[in-house]
Amino acid sequence: GQSLEQPSEVTAVEGAIVQINCTYQTSGFYGLSWYQQHDGGAPTFLSYNALDGLEETGRFSSFLSRSDSYGYLLLQELQMKDSASYFCAVKDSWGKLQFGAGTQVVVTP
Amino acid sequence: EPEVTQTPSHQVTQMGQEVILRCVPISNHLYFYWYRQILGQKVEFLVSFYNNEISEKSEIFDDQFSVERPDGSNFTLKIRSTKLEDSAMYFCASKGGAADTQYFGPGTRLTVL
Repeated sequence: GQSLEQPSEVTAVEGAIVQINCTYQTSGFYGLSWYQQHDGGAPTFLSYNALDGLEETGRFSSFLSRSDSYGYLLLQELQMKDSASYFCAVKDSWGKLQFGAGTQVVVTP
Repeated sequence: EPEVTQTPSHQVTQMGQEVILRCVPISNHLYFYWYRQILGQKVEFLVSFYNNEISEKSEIFDDQFSVERPDGSNFTLKIRSTKLEDSAMYFCASKGGAADTQYFGPGTRLTVL
């Protein structure tokens, strides 16, 4: 079967660093994307890894290990506005995204 | 900055009625998608559309669903006879090239009574 696993919730204080892990088991893997979603809003693209290694985009970084079927999203210098759901999504060879169940990040003062 | 738009933002309908959800993808994009998200659950792929035809569809996308690109700008999802379990947020997404990022619209919240 096809599955993506990520933690359901993470709580951290402002200024902290949070790592959201994602393990996947899918067919036709092309790359791993990360999306942010605020309540009731559209998924917003954060980062994408097609190759092994780290991609850095400002305060957010994403890592992929294809051999381990594993990736993570790193959120640094957490801000209150980072409170949201974060989804990993596998892009398959047909281009569609298969989403994980999402990780609710709660940032506290 | 160009963005995907969707109308209406909220649609309420009676079970058994037909609904059409509309999307205007980013203007030079070639690949179009519909996803849905039942409240509190993950985003699920419904269908992808390229070169004026469906390129892939999920098990959810049964005979009650159809998509169209009636003109050069709109991309629609039709549900012929809605069921209670069709209540969800429906997101349209588009991308320019095969390797590009998908950009999502704000969604249409469909409520079936």
